[in-house]
Amino acid sequence: GAGVSQSPSNKVTEKGKDVELRCDPISGHTALYWYRQSLGQGLEFLIYFQGNSAPDKSGLPSDRFSAERTGGSVSTLTIQRTQQEDSAVYLCASSFTGGSQETQYFGPGTRLLVL
Amino acid sequence: AQSVTQPDIHITVSEGASLELRCNYSYGATPYLFWYVQSPGQGLQLLLKYFSGDTLVQGIKGFEAEFKRSQSSFNLRKPSVHWSDAAEYFCAVAPKRNTDKLIFGTGTRLQVFP
Repeated sequence: GAGVSQSPSNKVTEKGKDVELRCDPISGHTALYWYRQSLGQGLEFLIYFQGNSAPDKSGLPSDRFSAERTGGSVSTLTIQRTQQEDSAVYLCASSFTGGSQETQYFGPGTRLLVL
Repeated sequence: AQSVTQPDIHITVSEGASLELRCNYSYGATPYLFWYVQSPGQGLQLLLKYFSGDTLVQGIKGFEAEFKRSQSSFNLRKPSVHWSDAAEYFCAVAPKRNTDKLIFGTGTRLQVFP
């Protein structure tokens, strides 16, 4: 079946602009994760959604970052007033029910470049 | 602080040679342990995982990993590397059983020469 999809695959923006990154999880997966992969920081957890529970936002680096998940499916990660240090690959993952033993399936990522 | 260390940033091997990628973690209790592979332009793919039980874990693509509690290590091995194994490899832990986020190491880039 279809895996996790993300769009756009690449995004170039100017410093100070807002960007929206989209993630379509695997159908039926109730857990959704966002990670950021950057040269200086490696792979970092950003935010986690599980069903109707309040999301775990503990990894968001600043209040310029926000995410929502509509209808328990598609998620959008929004970065406001982008900065050059936001340049990274943003990875989305989903799992069937969440939980540490569940395999997380990753999308191909969105490569963001802030000029 | 919880951390995952992959001491080798870049490894080069010849095709057919054996491979071992190192991973050490720092955590009070044994976490759940994972190895992921990322090919160029691709997302991460799970190779194998360890939760409990047999300390030698078999994964996909001929990979295996051994958990050693005394060394806080979870090294990835393959007896004979193929050119298609060239990729970046990430070790990850899920530190608590009720925490779902993964903490990743910085990755090891594997280059394979024919």
